[in-house]
Amino acid sequence: EAGVVQSPRYKIIEKKQPVAFWCNPISGHNTLYWYLQNLGQGPELLIRYENEEAVDDSQLPKDRFSAERLKGVDSTLKIQPAELGDSAVYLCASSIRDSTEAFFGQGTRLTVV
Amino acid sequence: AQKITQTQPGMFVQEKEAVTLDCTYDTSDPSYGLFWYKQPSSGEMIFLIYQGSYDQQNATEGRYSLNFQKARKSANLVISASQLGDSAMYFCAMREGQGKSYQKVTFGIGTKLQVIP
Repeated sequence: EAGVVQSPRYKIIEKKQPVAFWCNPISGHNTLYWYLQNLGQGPELLIRYENEEAVDDSQLPKDRFSAERLKGVDSTLKIQPAELGDSAVYLCASSIRDSTEAFFGQGTRLTVV
Repeated sequence: AQKITQTQPGMFVQEKEAVTLDCTYDTSDPSYGLFWYKQPSSGEMIFLIYQGSYDQQNATEGRYSLNFQKARKSANLVISASQLGDSAMYFCAMREGQGKSYQKVTFGIGTKLQVIP
């Protein structure tokens, strides 16, 4: 069974440019998460979806970040415009509701120059 | 206050030896869950083990066991018979709230484990 797939793996952009990350969760997983991981830190939740509904987006900087999960499957996280401080790894994870285990993708490493 | 504290930035262990990675947590919620994840250099977070606050016994998963001391608010990970492939970052994490669903989880800053041949 395929795991959580994220693309791209690496992205380098200039500041003020837009960028988008894509996540394909494990089939049948109705819960999807986007995490931000700064260098030397643990992941921090940006947004959590239950199917297509964003049930926790309190940590998402809504002035420049947006996310969507159309049809409750794939998800896209967008930053516009990107800032130097956005350089980090963006992790996507998915789980079955009421499960203690979440499965993570390999992440997208963003570098803003 | 930090919800999850991992005080060991880096640890070394000899191959085939056991190692303990420390984790303390802070919560006033009586219902919570504690996780350990492994993050190799490839970047993927790999779930290792879970302990619920009401679980009577310490969790074990193969070579991994969680030394849960509720009164001390500690949830140390013990890896027995270390292997070279165990070299990675290890993150302790906590979920607060009701139910077993994987909701918002707070991660520690991690411990880098290096296994020496």
